[in-house]
Amino acid sequence: GQQLNQSPQSMFIQEGEDVSMNCTSSSIFNTWLWYKQDPGEGPVLLIALYKAGELTSNGRLTAQFGITRKDSFLNISASIPSDVGIYFCAGPTRFGNEKLTFGTGTRLTIIP
Amino acid sequence: GAGVSQSPRYKVAKRGQDVALRCDPISGHVSLFWYQQALGQGPEFLTYFQNEAQLDKSGLPSDRFFAERPEGSVSTLKIQRTQQEDSAVYLCASSLVVRGDIQYFGAGTRLSVL
Repeated sequence: GQQLNQSPQSMFIQEGEDVSMNCTSSSIFNTWLWYKQDPGEGPVLLIALYKAGELTSNGRLTAQFGITRKDSFLNISASIPSDVGIYFCAGPTRFGNEKLTFGTGTRLTIIP
Repeated sequence: GAGVSQSPRYKVAKRGQDVALRCDPISGHVSLFWYQQALGQGPEFLTYFQNEAQLDKSGLPSDRFFAERPEGSVSTLKIQRTQQEDSAVYLCASSLVVRGDIQYFGAGTRLSVL
């Protein structure tokens, strides 16, 4: 089946640093979604991307839909303590299908 | 309610017991999804409802897993004769429209099978 690989698996950064993470697929996706999950909670949608090459921002977060449609990137600028959590990319399994395939996740930790 | 509500939040079951997990989606949302999240992994799709119709159950791992949404709102995921490998967080999500790529998740039910 389709797999979404995220890198890095984990990041340890200091408050105020910028963060970059990416997600790659073996097959084409027509929609890319980025979710954040806090401990004991469900995933919360951060950004949705619908078009190859699209660059979308949500506050300090910026995400891009790769030109090949096989990858996506998420950047967080000037990280703050509440950015700690696990970030997942996700996309519909196939066009017009509703079920989501999730990536392996990137765990972000802020070092005091 | 304001968001997707799941109950119970935590469930401990002895191996062989049956369990029922409940999901209250956002009012008016047409689509409802169940996902299973193992420790340290991303959520994995189990099943999908459009109103009361179960349109996709391809992710259910065995015939011990059963889901229903009889009136097109609340849904129940039932696991019969639980096994240790069923231990996971079970997440419910709902979406306003039929093509539900924008899915809103509940906090999940953490199931531990002893």
